Formats: sequence, C-alpha cells, structure tokens
Amino acid sequence: SQQGEEDPQALSIQEGENATMNCSYKTSINNLQWYRQNSGRGLVHLILIRSNEREKHSGRLRVTLDTSKKSSSLLITASRAADTASYFCATRVYGKLTFGQGTILTVHP
Amino acid sequence: DTGVSQDPRHKITKRGQNVTFRCDPISEHNRLYWYRQTLGQGPEFLTYFQNEAQLEKSRLLSDRFSAERPKGSFSTLEIQRTEQGDSAMYLCASSPPGTSGSSSYNEQFFGPGTRLTVL
Repeated sequence: SQQGEEDPQALSIQEGENATMNCSYKTSINNLQWYRQNSGRGLVHLILIRSNEREKHSGRLRVTLDTSKKSSSLLITASRAADTASYFCATRVYGKLTFGQGTILTVHP
Repeated sequence: DTGVSQDPRHKITKRGQNVTFRCDPISEHNRLYWYRQTLGQGPEFLTYFQNEAQLEKSRLLSDRFSAERPKGSFSTLEIQRTEQGDSAMYLCASSPPGTSGSSSYNEQFFGPGTRLTVL
C-alpha cells in the first residue's frame, strides 16, 4: 500500500512561477526522497533529505521535512516547461522505497 | 548507455500465459529492486536483492510471481498464469554498495520499465 499522500494531485502553472508540492507519510523513516517521472520515461532521483534534516537545497529545488507532522514539501523555483512531469515523494525504511501517489505538474510556456 | 536496462519494453499477453521480464542493473550495483506501477499511482515495492540474496518480498508478490538474481548481476521477474489485474508497468532499479550514511546508498536508479498488458 502507498505510504503517503501527495497534495495537490495536479498542478498547472506558467513558466517562471514557483511550484510547491506536499507529501505526507505514516511511519518513521530513515530519509525521504523526491523523484521525477516524465511521460514514457523512468523515475529520476531529484533530492534526498535525511530524517534529522529540516531543509535542503539543490539548484532550483528546495525540500523541507517536518518529522513531527510526518510531512515534506518540494518547491521548484522559476519553473520551466521542461519541469512538466509527475513528482513523487518516497520514504525509505531499510531497503525499500515507499512512494506516494504523485503530483502531476504542468508548466505552460 | 550504462543505465539500468529492461527487456522487453512492452509485452502483450493473453490471460493465463506466463511472462518473464529481465533487468540489467548498473554495473557494480549490488542492490536490485522490482516495483510495479499502475496508471495514476506511484510505484509499489515488490522485492529486492542484495547480490544474489532476495532480502524482502512484498505481500503483493503472490505465489504466481517469482524473481531471481542467480549470479548477483541481472534479474528476472516471472509471472505465471497472468491475470488482467497484472497489467501494469514493472520497474527495476539498482543502487550501489555503501553505508546508510552515504547518499549513493540511498538513491535508486530506475530503468525505463516493462509495460505489461494482459488481454
């Protein structure tokens, strides 16, 4: 079963705007990761945040983690049409990843 | 291309038939994972291997499913007596050796998937 839920399920924005996606999970975790999936392509790892971290940056990506609320957010700044994809959060407990249902992001040029 | 490869990319079969998928991980990655993804959902974990040892199996992996990694390199996933509910994208991923504190240990590299359609 899915570990968490993502919000919103779909997000449509204009190029240059920021996009924020949220993820909630249910159990204790080692770390939380965000992946992107383009139509017809495999999943690509974007960023990882450990359970003892609260915020992390990578290029235009900013991820936060609140373990007390069991939630995380992914912010993509200055979005581009190429950012159009599905975004998934995934929590790691031991070996496996448990994914959320994903947010479909559409960035209009 | 040195990424994870999967074969075939698409498979159409009739209900009741057996199918086998292959995954070739990135060279020197000792961990290999299988996931299943249905339309509009995130991937769901099926099983994973460390070298040739199968360390965990999901309850989703019914008796009709079997996975092997005989030499600790490529892996196969077989589905026997396929059902329409087995229609999905089957994803393979691999990750390198390392300690839990290293980023490389945690990131999983995914293949393009095998899309199975059971008629």
